[in-house]
Parts: sequence; C-alpha cells; structure tokens
Amino acid sequence: DGGITQSPKYLFRKEGQNVTLSCEQNLNHDAMYWYRQDPGQGLRLIYYSQIVNDFQKGDIAEGYSVSREKKESFPLTVTSAQKNPTAFYLCASTDWGDEQFFGPGTRLTVL
Amino acid sequence: GNSVTQMEGPVTLSEEAFLTINCTYTATGYPSLFWYVQYPGEGLQLLLKATKADDKGSNKGFEATYRKETTSFHLEKGSVQVSDSAVYFCALSDPSSGGYQKVTFGIGTKLQVIP
Repeated sequence: DGGITQSPKYLFRKEGQNVTLSCEQNLNHDAMYWYRQDPGQGLRLIYYSQIVNDFQKGDIAEGYSVSREKKESFPLTVTSAQKNPTAFYLCASTDWGDEQFFGPGTRLTVL
Repeated sequence: GNSVTQMEGPVTLSEEAFLTINCTYTATGYPSLFWYVQYPGEGLQLLLKATKADDKGSNKGFEATYRKETTSFHLEKGSVQVSDSAVYFCALSDPSSGGYQKVTFGIGTKLQVIP
C-alpha cells in the first residue's frame, strides 16, 4: 500500500542536542512538507520541497533544517537553536493536486 | 494573507445528535476548501473537499458547502457516533501560489461524542 511513514513515533531530546525526524513516501509525489502542531495553534509550515535538491522555508523555519536528496525522503533536523521544540511533527506530500497526504506524526519531547 | 477561522472547542455531543462546526475564511482569488480529520495520536486524513463556489463535499455522512457569498464552509453531520470523536481541521489551498500548494489550516475543533 502506498503511503507516508514517519519515524520514530516518539522521540526524546536532551537540551543542546540535534535530532532528525524521518519521513518517507512511496506515493511518487513531487512535493513534500513538514508541519508543526501545537495545541490551540493548528498546523504551521516549517519547510517544503517541490522537487529533489530544492526546498524552501515555511512560516517557522528558524531552528530547523531539511534535505531532499531523494524523491522519497524528506528528513527534518531539529537543531539546538530551536528554543521550544516540544511538539507533534507531521510530514505530508502532494502530487500537485489539492489533497495533502499525511504521515502518522512524530511526537518530540525535550527532557 | 489567507486565514481560516474555526472554534477550538471542545464540542461535546450525545450520540445521534446533529453536528455543525463553523468555518469561515479569507483568501485572495478562488481557493479550494477542505475538511481534514485527525484521530488521537495520528496524522490528518482528508474528509471532504470542494473546489468551487456552491460545490458540496460529502463523505461518511459529513457534508460541507462552499459558500462564496459568506466565505464559509461549515461542516455538518445529521447523526454523530462515538467513533466520530476526533479533531476536525478546516483548510484552504491557494491556487495563486503556482506550483507550490500552500495550505492554510484552522486551529482545529475537537469533537467529543458521548454514548
């Protein structure tokens, strides 16, 4: 079955650590997205990529970095510069149609 | 810029009650409108969509009509079930963004259905 996988489901980070969240899709979609979800704030766009080796900052990119070396993969690194990283992170993709397809999410907690 | 407004909730209903979750938007141009649903601990799934004025999206007993004159896309269901308990997000996509599909989400409305 086609879909989007994210790993790990739960992630714990110590202060000052960088961590990387994985996102893989087998839908053959060109565009991929990372969102952050916080209670009462809906979804906010961190980064997006329309094509391999290209990506753009979203609304809240500070403290995050991404890469897009393969069409199927769009990993997100939460750096130590992100002051409040505890949140639920969602990866999504689209094939230029209207609908976005979402992964199951990664819950990141800073210890 | 674009925006989507919906109540945060929670909305608490008894089983078989009628559901309405209001959604209003501001946008330039002619956006497509969506309702997504998120079950606890999961990602979002598309529930229904409408791409032009007066279109009605429907799925699993849920309906919403694209009302351009009132810039609204209210979600309705005639008889809710416990299994409908989830968070519902209203969203719009901006066609003026060209190849990149920029989606603006509301804050999400939590629905709790009690037996």
